Amino acid sequence: QVQLQESGPRLVKPSETLSLTCTVSGGPISDYYWSWIRQPPGKRLEWIGFIYYNGVTNYNPSLKSRVTISVDPSKNQFSLKLRSVTAADTALYYCARDGYSGYGAHSDYWGQGILVTVSS
Amino acid sequence: DIQMTQSPSSLSASVGDRVTITCRASQTISSYLNWYQQKPGRAPKLLIYAASSLFDGVPSRFSGSKSGTDFTLSISSLQPEDFATYYCQQTYNSPRTFGQGTKVE
Repeated sequence: QVQLQESGPRLVKPSETLSLTCTVSGGPISDYYWSWIRQPPGKRLEWIGFIYYNGVTNYNPSLKSRVTISVDPSKNQFSLKLRSVTAADTALYYCARDGYSGYGAHSDYWGQGILVTVSS
Repeated sequence: DIQMTQSPSSLSASVGDRVTITCRASQTISSYLNWYQQKPGRAPKLLIYAASSLFDGVPSRFSGSKSGTDFTLSISSLQPEDFATYYCQQTYNSPRTFGQGTKVE
């Protein structure tokens, strides 16, 4: 059974960089796409972007100028960096694995989520 | 971006009821539509992918269907563990977008 676990600082100051890591266990990180998704308090889910194990990425244009997703297959981890954060970036951040069918992607395994608060 | 609009935003139901949730896409998305269930304080769980395919281990009381740009999630007989918020998601175009959620209470 594939399991994902987010880790990183839960409090980030405004204008600084949010950095999270997702550790994958129970299966290899290769041959799959891996996504970051967030959910501000009381709001809908927002897709941040994905990375393939070979490093190919796709980001949400609304965040693209501030986001970098990277992967380390040797550690079975992938990471998220979000620069110049504001209070609007306060959210539950989830990492997820993307499965694929003939009709696109679906996030079939998720981490438990980590609440990151942006505040001075 | 493709806008996903769910209705209703919330509904009240009882155990044993048949429940139907609708998701409308702002443009054609073929069958690139997923449904997730989220309980308070928990990560979303995949229920349905590709509009109508049941994910592994999901009870058969859940089903999905498509009519044009309207998609429906149905629960044939609501169980106590089904009280949750349900989200649709399109993956036809980037960025992937979610509906606003439907709370079943």
